[in-house]
Amino acid sequence: EAQVTQNPRYLITVTGKKLTVTCSQNMNHEYMSWYRQDPGLGLRQIYYSMNVEVTDKGDVPEGYKVSRKEKRNFPLILESPSPNQTSLYFCASSLFRSSYNEQFFGPGTRLTVL
Amino acid sequence: KQEVTQIPAALSVPEGENLVLNCSFTDSAIYNLQWFRQDPGKGLTSLLLIQSSQREQTSGRLNASLDKSSGRSTLYIAASQPGDSATYLCAPGTGGFKTIFGAGTRLFVKA
Repeated sequence: EAQVTQNPRYLITVTGKKLTVTCSQNMNHEYMSWYRQDPGLGLRQIYYSMNVEVTDKGDVPEGYKVSRKEKRNFPLILESPSPNQTSLYFCASSLFRSSYNEQFFGPGTRLTVL
Repeated sequence: KQEVTQIPAALSVPEGENLVLNCSFTDSAIYNLQWFRQDPGKGLTSLLLIQSSQREQTSGRLNASLDKSSGRSTLYIAASQPGDSATYLCAPGTGGFKTIFGAGTRLFVKA
């Protein structure tokens, strides 16, 4: 089944403890992206990747890192999480970044930073 | 910078009613526009994708239109059902690789 998977789905952690949220797609998509969703602020893009080893910042990249060493995986790294990074995180992918390619979303990761 | 506005922010209708959700965007240089549905606490499900060269797309009871020059898209839902209750989001695909989402319209369909 074609899908975008994220792990973990739920995570409670403490301030400063490094964590990684994994994202994987099995559709051979070139474009992948991370978003966070917060009440009243909607979905905001954190980072995106156009292909392996090619990444760039979205609108809210502060406090996050990403890497794209393989086409299928796009992990989101929080080196020193803070409470303001408590949010619902989504990973998405699309074949290319073009007019006829839609984005597919993962199920989300709910992160709480105490 | 692209700004996306969705009106209304919330909508409550009786079952069976036809309804229109609106999405407006400030940068008309888009190459597509995607409509999503999101159930509470869940991920986004793609409903319709309209390419910039298209005027509308249809899927079942859903019809989305696009007017690039005026920076508007509408999602029409025919014969609404309680199962349509969700938040609907639009996302114009702007040049470059960023995606900007609207805040969404929360729809509640009463049985």
